[in-house]
Amino acid sequence: DIQMTQSPSSLSASVGDRVTITCRASQSISYYLHWYQQKPGKAPKLLIYAASILQSGVPSRFSGSGSGTDFTLTISSLQPEDFATYYCQESYSSPQALSFGGGTKVGIK
Amino acid sequence: EVQLVESGGDLVQPGGSLRLSCAASGFTFSTYWMSWVRQAPGMGLEWVANIEEDGSEKFYVDSVKGRFTISRDNARNSLSLQMTSLRAEDTAVYYCAGTSGTGAFDIWGQGTMVTVSS
Repeated sequence: DIQMTQSPSSLSASVGDRVTITCRASQSISYYLHWYQQKPGKAPKLLIYAASILQSGVPSRFSGSGSGTDFTLTISSLQPEDFATYYCQESYSSPQALSFGGGTKVGIK
Repeated sequence: EVQLVESGGDLVQPGGSLRLSCAASGFTFSTYWMSWVRQAPGMGLEWVANIEEDGSEKFYVDSVKGRFTISRDNARNSLSLQMTSLRAEDTAVYYCAGTSGTGAFDIWGQGTMVTVSS
């Protein structure tokens, strides 16, 4: 099975900061990597799919990059509504298996 | 409005059974792979099972194989998860989620809570 490792597991940042979250796969997954945002008590929300494609309706301050084993999610200027937990997910092994990263909690500094 | 609404979550004793349902509306359900994804309290997301558009292929995470069964009824736009031999470690919020072909889950329900405890 493919293992997804996110770092850091948590971070503190201020409004306006540039924030970068990384996700590493245990083997090459090409561009089959997606990012989600989850707020407490809510379902996850798709932000970026196929490593770098912004889901419709998602603000352009969110961006994704990477391929192979190393990926990043960047928030160019953190907004108050961005404080949440972010997960990466691979679909390279889909449909037989799907894996999520452990999550990165973005908190207020 | 695109919507998935789960139901059926409950408190159940270890070894018991439960059936979760998910009602879809606002999109062409029969063109989506559908999945169940769970989240234990305070923990991350875990994919549980998925089912092909026409229901012919189904896959499960190892920890639920032989205990959980995913099914769908495209005529009724519904997805189900039959859970048997439930264990404490199955305690979680269960989400139904849809994939349109990108491999990403672009539609999510609000979740239903399953608690396995005596």
